[in-house]
Amino acid sequence: EPEVTQTPSHQVTQMGQEVILRCVPISNHLYFYWYRQILGQKVEFLVSFYNNEISEKSEIFDDQFSVERPDGSNFTLKIRSTKLEDSAMYFCASGEATGSYEQYFGPGTRLTVT
Amino acid sequence: AQSVTQLDSHVSVSEGTPVLLRCNYSSSYSPSLFWYVQHPNKGLQLLLKYTSAATLVKGINGFEAEFKKSETSFHLTKPSAHMSDAAEYFCVVSDRGGYQKVTFGTGTKLQVIP
Repeated sequence: EPEVTQTPSHQVTQMGQEVILRCVPISNHLYFYWYRQILGQKVEFLVSFYNNEISEKSEIFDDQFSVERPDGSNFTLKIRSTKLEDSAMYFCASGEATGSYEQYFGPGTRLTVT
Repeated sequence: AQSVTQLDSHVSVSEGTPVLLRCNYSSSYSPSLFWYVQHPNKGLQLLLKYTSAATLVKGINGFEAEFKKSETSFHLTKPSAHMSDAAEYFCVVSDRGGYQKVTFGTGTKLQVIP
């Protein structure tokens, strides 16, 4: 069964460094999303992406965040200058265009900022 | 605006007894509702979804949920708990067809006692 994959599974970085989290959505999906879950808190929406542009973003998704679909398969989340409070599990999701409304989630990348 | 409230942060049941995880939602439109499960150190797996078809929805692993508009509820049930059901369960709502962001509840940790 097709699935969303994410790399790396765990990333440790120093405060102020740039990180890129990578996702490979399901191949025929057209909608892409990033969510995050700070330890012990609920999953929060960051951004949605469709037709090569951001369709919606939350107030969390400030100028230090960016997303890109650099080729036909990858979907990336870049954090330009990481802060301690960026430590979280980041989930990528993708959705098809057939009206099923289901978002398929990847296993997540745990980002630890030290 | 959309929101979801999971009434119990922890639920403990004995193996073989029924499971009830409660969820209430708020939505400005006709919502789509989902239940996801997250096993430790794993990603989010869809259990079931409601998207304006039958109000009683059957999902994987014997789970089902009933959409009750008058009560704004979407409680998750299972007749007989299995040890492998121990996980965290998230109720999720989308009031714009699911292509935009979804909103997660705070999660319910299900403990199954042998």
